Amino acid sequence: AQKVTQAQTEISVVEKEDVTLDCVYETRDTTYYLFWYKQPPSGELVFLIRRNSFDEQNEISGRYSWNFQKSTSSFNFTITASQVVDSAVYFCALKGSNYKLTFGKGTLLTVNP
Amino acid sequence: DADVTQTPRNRITKTGKRIMLECSQTKGHDRMYWYRQDPGLGLRLIYYSFDVKDINKGEISDGYSVSRQAQAKFSLSLESAIPNQTALYFCATSETPLRGYNEQFFGPGTRLTVL
Repeated sequence: AQKVTQAQTEISVVEKEDVTLDCVYETRDTTYYLFWYKQPPSGELVFLIRRNSFDEQNEISGRYSWNFQKSTSSFNFTITASQVVDSAVYFCALKGSNYKLTFGKGTLLTVNP
Repeated sequence: DADVTQTPRNRITKTGKRIMLECSQTKGHDRMYWYRQDPGLGLRLIYYSFDVKDINKGEISDGYSVSRQAQAKFSLSLESAIPNQTALYFCATSETPLRGYNEQFFGPGTRLTVL
């Protein structure tokens, strides 16, 4: 069975702070894919990143960075110098060998001015 | 124009009514999906289709049916709506991968309320 745990239900920071959103996953598959999606207050789901299980290289995209650690089954997401526009619900998701894309329950990030 | 569109964006209906939610995409993707989102539960897959002749149940298909009329269109029906089907519904698409797996792209969502 696949499982994605986002233990942080809500996080509140002040603008310009760095913030890390945690994601821990469980799967028995040796090949799998991890994703992060952003859901702003307007409601749409925006794809942020995909990571393959055989590629543990961390990735940086502007103020966003992702830390993939197979040893701890984690795929954490860090926003550097947060901005109000980063306020959203962030979902981590896992796709293993079957058809299913399993989502975590999401972390609500609020960035206050 | 958006690549994945959903109509209607909002709908209020009554228990027992038949409802159809429509999804269209211009991305040229073969694979299409329907999800529902409930507060605190994340997204759960209702149905998915890998091509026009392919329909598969997801984890919560009871009470729902789908139709894949064309590569670009995938409709979700609630034959007899009930209040616990009140949720935010998302359509998604993905490209058939040559290898590995491709990310899904989501429509803007349909907020359905069943009274």
